[in-house]
Amino acid sequence: DQQVKQNSPSLSVQEGRISILNCDYTNSMFDYFLWYKKYPAEGPTFLISISSIKDKNEDGRFTVFLNKSAKHLSLHIVPSQPGDSAVYFCAARTLQGAQKLVFGQGTRLTINP
Amino acid sequence: NAGVTQTPKFQVLKTGQSMTLQCAQDMNHNSMYWYRQDPGMGLRLIYYSASEGTTDKGEVPNGYNVSRLNKREFSLRLESAAPSQTSVYFCASSEVAVYGYTFGSGTRLTVV
Repeated sequence: DQQVKQNSPSLSVQEGRISILNCDYTNSMFDYFLWYKKYPAEGPTFLISISSIKDKNEDGRFTVFLNKSAKHLSLHIVPSQPGDSAVYFCAARTLQGAQKLVFGQGTRLTINP
Repeated sequence: NAGVTQTPKFQVLKTGQSMTLQCAQDMNHNSMYWYRQDPGMGLRLIYYSASEGTTDKGEVPNGYNVSRLNKREFSLRLESAAPSQTSVYFCASSEVAVYGYTFGSGTRLTVV
């Protein structure tokens, strides 16, 4: 039972344009959502998070949007840069889940020059 | 600033062999985790330790055991390796999960 789903395995975007990565979830008890970025042969690194009481959080070129009614969140990267090419994972936490995070399958983003 | 250190980085095992993956963190975090990453499956939690002296099962614990040796170290043991355990294993630690885990660089394990 995949509680956090990233339905697009891959995404290709031109440098300078906007990249939009999507994530859907099924558990209405999730209270925090996070995005991680992963380069090959490295561990994932934390990128940005959002509380379930907010609908938007921005950090530089990265913005996360949360639509609770649709159980959907998205990560916008503007403008996209070659160094953004990586695998992106969305993750979610429940209050009852201690500090455990549930991860999606990941989306491989490729930024083309 | 080492963060989370995992050893070894690569390992090949024969079916039925045992091994222990080591993990240590130097950030004084209370919580530590073991995940596995498989193609198309994302990161799945194997075991976690919310604090020193406690461990709990995650989503895919079968075939694994863990030991929280002290606050710094959290090891993962495969008692009798199976080809289905071929994967990349990540250790992570956190103080508060919503501020993000810190992950190690991973152990690529192949069971033949």
